Amino acid sequence: KNQVEQSPQSLIILEGKNCTLQCNYTVSPFSNLRWYKQDTGRGPVSLTIMTFSENTKSNGRYTATLDADTKQSSLHITASQLSDSASYICVVRHFKAAGNKLTFGGGTRVLVKP
Amino acid sequence: GAVVSQHPSRVICKSGTSVKIECRSLDFQATTMFWYRQFPKQSLMLMATSNEGSKATYEQGVEKDKFLINHASLTLSTLTVTSAHPEDSSFYICSARGLAGPSSYNEQFFGPGTRLTVL
Repeated sequence: KNQVEQSPQSLIILEGKNCTLQCNYTVSPFSNLRWYKQDTGRGPVSLTIMTFSENTKSNGRYTATLDADTKQSSLHITASQLSDSASYICVVRHFKAAGNKLTFGGGTRVLVKP
Repeated sequence: GAVVSQHPSRVICKSGTSVKIECRSLDFQATTMFWYRQFPKQSLMLMATSNEGSKATYEQGVEKDKFLINHASLTLSTLTVTSAHPEDSSFYICSARGLAGPSSYNEQFFGPGTRLTVL
């Protein structure tokens, strides 16, 4: 069964600190993996997208890594800010021949405190 | 990045009425649009996929007669919740995919969502 599991479910960090979110998936073969940020009451906004051949990608203070062999990805937030409080969702796109569908992880809710 | 808009952002309606939600791709042509539903503290769940000019494909368990989807043009899709009931209260998010972004990523762009509350 194609699944995307994220951990932790939620975390609280102090402003200025770093944190790392984990994503394990079983989707295979996959086309790409993306991390989204979803503010409360808003739609998801793309942070990074990586194909199976890409190991790391950065977007400002967000850095995503991908290990296609172990089917793991991580999102690292550096020097967190209050505005980083949101849900972060790991999404894997199935290979085109397998329907091109997206499988969503359950998300990690991050709360940044001053 | 490409922009997808939704209207309205919030709607409150009485039980038994119908509600229409619009989804527009503002700066690209969306050959495929997706409708998702999200309950509190849960992830997005795909309801249906629609290609411009053809009937929508519904996910298992989603009633096509209750959630009417129209994708009449390459920039507009609508979701109509018919005879809404309190259990239909949710956050509805559309997504569009088309001729935008690097083709290798086959990216979907999400709208800001519509909060539906059925009294």
